[in-house]
Amino acid sequence: NAGVTQTPKFQVLKTGQSMTLQCAQDMNHEYMSWYRQDPGMGLRLIHYSVGAGITDQGEVPNGYNVSRSTTEDFPLRLLSAAPSQTSVYFCASRYSLGRQNSPLHFGNGTRLTVT
Amino acid sequence: DQQVKQNSPSLSVQEGRISILNCDYTNSMFDYFLWYKKYPAEGPTFLISISSIKDKNEDGRFTVFLNKSAKHLSLHIVPSQPGDSAVYFCAASDQITGANNLFFGTGTRLTVIP
Repeated sequence: NAGVTQTPKFQVLKTGQSMTLQCAQDMNHEYMSWYRQDPGMGLRLIHYSVGAGITDQGEVPNGYNVSRSTTEDFPLRLLSAAPSQTSVYFCASRYSLGRQNSPLHFGNGTRLTVT
Repeated sequence: DQQVKQNSPSLSVQEGRISILNCDYTNSMFDYFLWYKKYPAEGPTFLISISSIKDKNEDGRFTVFLNKSAKHLSLHIVPSQPGDSAVYFCAASDQITGANNLFFGTGTRLTVIP
């Protein structure tokens, strides 16, 4: 099993550009989520999904869109990048139905810089 | 406003000694707590968890203690090993949103000196 795979590992964008951060998992996890990690802030939840076709907002959703068309994939879209979105982004997944307290499995992160 | 706080950004410990990492929280609705460990250029990995119905959970060298009245939990690592050097995040989930939203602390960087 590859676990949770994130691409790209690094990305530099100019203000106003758009891009999609990719996340895929091969563990058949129902729940997937995106977090951002900023210095002095810990990890904060952006969006999450409890299954294909279902998404919901987390703590810091503004400026980001998500969709979940398959169980395996959960891309994060930045429609118009801003310097405030410079961060390290982590995708995570876990079992959901009937196993509410199963731990999150994280990808290795995407380091995004917006200039 | 940070609901989960790790007030010590860093901690250094000699190999073989005990490491104690602390975490405080403000939300009385939190009922499940986890510790994650993170190496550079990798994602966090799950270490140990505890439910609010317990006050202690042990897994090998790792023990988590929960003091609900003080809204405080701690992670003990005994004995500490150089491979334990990493950033440790405390996380919590509440009874409302459940495990769909984990609230993370800012992390404590542990350095175990050989």
